[in-house]
Amino acid sequence: AQSVTQPDIHITVSEGASLELRCNYSYGATPYLFWYVQSPGQGLQLLLKYFSGDTLVQGIKGFEAEFKRSQSSFNLRKPSVHWSDAAEYFCAVGVSGGYQKVTFGTGTKLQVIP
Amino acid sequence: KAGVTQTPRYLIKTRGQQVTLSCSPISGHRSVSWYQQTPGQGLQFLFEYFSETQRNKGNFPGRFSGRQFSNSRSEMNVSTLELGDSALYLCASSFSGTGNQETQYFGPGTRLLVL
Repeated sequence: AQSVTQPDIHITVSEGASLELRCNYSYGATPYLFWYVQSPGQGLQLLLKYFSGDTLVQGIKGFEAEFKRSQSSFNLRKPSVHWSDAAEYFCAVGVSGGYQKVTFGTGTKLQVIP
Repeated sequence: KAGVTQTPRYLIKTRGQQVTLSCSPISGHRSVSWYQQTPGQGLQFLFEYFSETQRNKGNFPGRFSGRQFSNSRSEMNVSTLELGDSALYLCASSFSGTGNQETQYFGPGTRLLVL
């Protein structure tokens, strides 16, 4: 069965600093990979996804993620964090095709300090 | 274009009762997925429907069921409610559930409290 590990439960960064959230997955074949963001005002929102092709994927709000098969990782990055990025971020892996039957990580809560 | 809507937004039930939650996807979307979110178990996939057929199911007991209608609206039902069923139930829709070019959109959720 597939699984996702987000090793950082809580991360604090200063506004304007760069951000990298870690995600490792376990799955035998090529996975479908996702990052979601959840904030009180916006609910749960898909940030970006990897289905196939280019391993560096761009998402909304200036986020990007890179699929590294050799490291079983799909880390999320943003060059300059804004206060509005404070939220909880979930990495997920899907195995049945696209958005079907995804398994979520436990989430990383991001705090942004001025 | 209207977003994904879920009704009701809040619900209080007692143990042993059953509950039905509704999800209306974005117009034109045929894939609807359901998720449960709890503090203890986190986000978990419940099931996914496409064109009135359940395509995938997560690891939940048979008390959790769902269906999808011809207009793509979906309902999920939980019978014989237990305290542990207290959760935020989210639904999401996408055009087909598999396309690389499509995005998945979430509803605001239904918060269920079981007493």
